Amino acid sequence: TQLLEQSPQFLSIQEGENLTVYCNSSSVFSSLQWYRQEPGEGPVLLVTVVTGGEVKKLKRLTFQFGDARKDSSLHITAAQPGDTGLYLCAGESWQGRNAGNNRKLIWGLGTSLAVNP
Amino acid sequence: KAGVTQTPRYLIKTRGQQVTLSCSPISGHRSVSWYQQTPGQGLQFLFEYFSETQRNKGNFPGRFSGRQFSNSRSEMNVSTLELGDSALYLCASSSRGTGEQYFGPGTRLTVT
Repeated sequence: TQLLEQSPQFLSIQEGENLTVYCNSSSVFSSLQWYRQEPGEGPVLLVTVVTGGEVKKLKRLTFQFGDARKDSSLHITAAQPGDTGLYLCAGESWQGRNAGNNRKLIWGLGTSLAVNP
Repeated sequence: KAGVTQTPRYLIKTRGQQVTLSCSPISGHRSVSWYQQTPGQGLQFLFEYFSETQRNKGNFPGRFSGRQFSNSRSEMNVSTLELGDSALYLCASSSRGTGEQYFGPGTRLTVT
C-alpha cells in the first residue's frame, strides 16, 4: 500500500516565525502536488514539482522535491495569519506501462497550520 | 474561466435516505474526481470519471455511485445513507485525471 506521511500533523506558531512541513513516502512519484485548504472550502493547488531535487518558490513559500522523488518539503518564511490552513501533499504514481487506469494520486492526511497574530 | 461548482453546498439527510450531489467542472476539463473528506480519515478517493467512463475507483461500498454526462458534468449518488457518511464531499476537475486537481467548494453532508 502506498502511503504519504505528512508531519507534523498540527502546528501552531506566531506571526513572523519560519516553519517547515514534510511529506514522506517509501514510494517514488512521477510528480508531487501541494495544496492549501481553508475551512469550509476545497483545497487549492499551490505547486507541482516534477524533477528530483527541484526547488520552486512562491513568494514566501519554498517547495522542494527530494532527489529520489520520494519526499517533499514546504518551507514558509515569516509566516502570516493568512497562511493558516490545512496543507496537503499528493503524489502521482504510475503503475505499469499504460496511462489512464494505472495512474493514481496518493494523498497525505495534511498538516494543520495555525499562525497567530 | 469559471471554477468548479458544486451543488448543494449543505445538505441534511436522515439514515436510510439517498442523496445526489452535482459537480460542474472547469470548462474544457474532461476528468472529474470525487473525494470524501473527514477529520479522521483525510481525503479519501471515491472515483474518477473521464469522458463519461469511470476510470478509477476507490475502496468504497457499492452504495456510492457516480456518473458523468456528455458535457462533463458529474453526479454522485449515495443510497441508504449511514451516520458515517457525514462528511465534506469534494469534486475536482482536471484536464488529464491524476494531474493537477481543481477543487470545488464541496458539499457538506450531515446524516442524522
